[in-house]
Amino acid sequence: EDQVTQSPEALRLQEGESSSLNCSYTVSGLRGLFWYRQDPGKGPEFLFTLYSAGEEKEKERLKATLTKKESFLHITAPKPEDSATYLCAVQARQGAQKLVFGQGTRLTINP
Amino acid sequence: GAVVSQHPSRVICKSGTSVKIECRSLDFQATTMFWYRQFPKQSLMLMATSNEGSKATYEQGVEKDKFLINHASLTLSTLTVTSAHPEDSSFYICSARDQSGANTGELFFGEGSRLTVL
Repeated sequence: EDQVTQSPEALRLQEGESSSLNCSYTVSGLRGLFWYRQDPGKGPEFLFTLYSAGEEKEKERLKATLTKKESFLHITAPKPEDSATYLCAVQARQGAQKLVFGQGTRLTINP
Repeated sequence: GAVVSQHPSRVICKSGTSVKIECRSLDFQATTMFWYRQFPKQSLMLMATSNEGSKATYEQGVEKDKFLINHASLTLSTLTVTSAHPEDSSFYICSARDQSGANTGELFFGEGSRLTVL
């Protein structure tokens, strides 16, 4: 069974304090790993898709990396507006196109 | 990026009534849409995969007769919660995959619909 585990569950940082969020996964053949941002009461907002180990993608203060077992979302010099829940999901190569989500990491950036 | 719209964003209903939630892909066609459910401080759990012109595929443990899904066109899927009860109160989110142009394969989500059953 495909599984995604994110850590930590919650993370509180000071503005400008860089850190990383972890997403560990097991999947029967990875088609893609996805990162989303979700604000309270809203649907997830797409951030990145990673397809193969060694791949990296960047967007503003965020950088996502991928290995064969996990992905990291690095946040550099975060700002209060980066506060949100960050969700990781995997899509298997075989079968349906569905995504399996992790529990998410609730990130709070204090000014 | 592509836009997926859900309506209504919030709905309150009495126990025993039925509620319909619409999911539209505004600027692309989606042969497949997905319906998720999210409880407070929990992640998204896939309920069913909605296929245009055919029956939906439900995940294990999801009651087909309670959560009716219709995908009548390439831009619209509906989820009807029949005979709703308080335990059905949740945040329902739809998503659709844009397989055209610059957004090939990306999955976009609607804003979600919060259902409260009294």
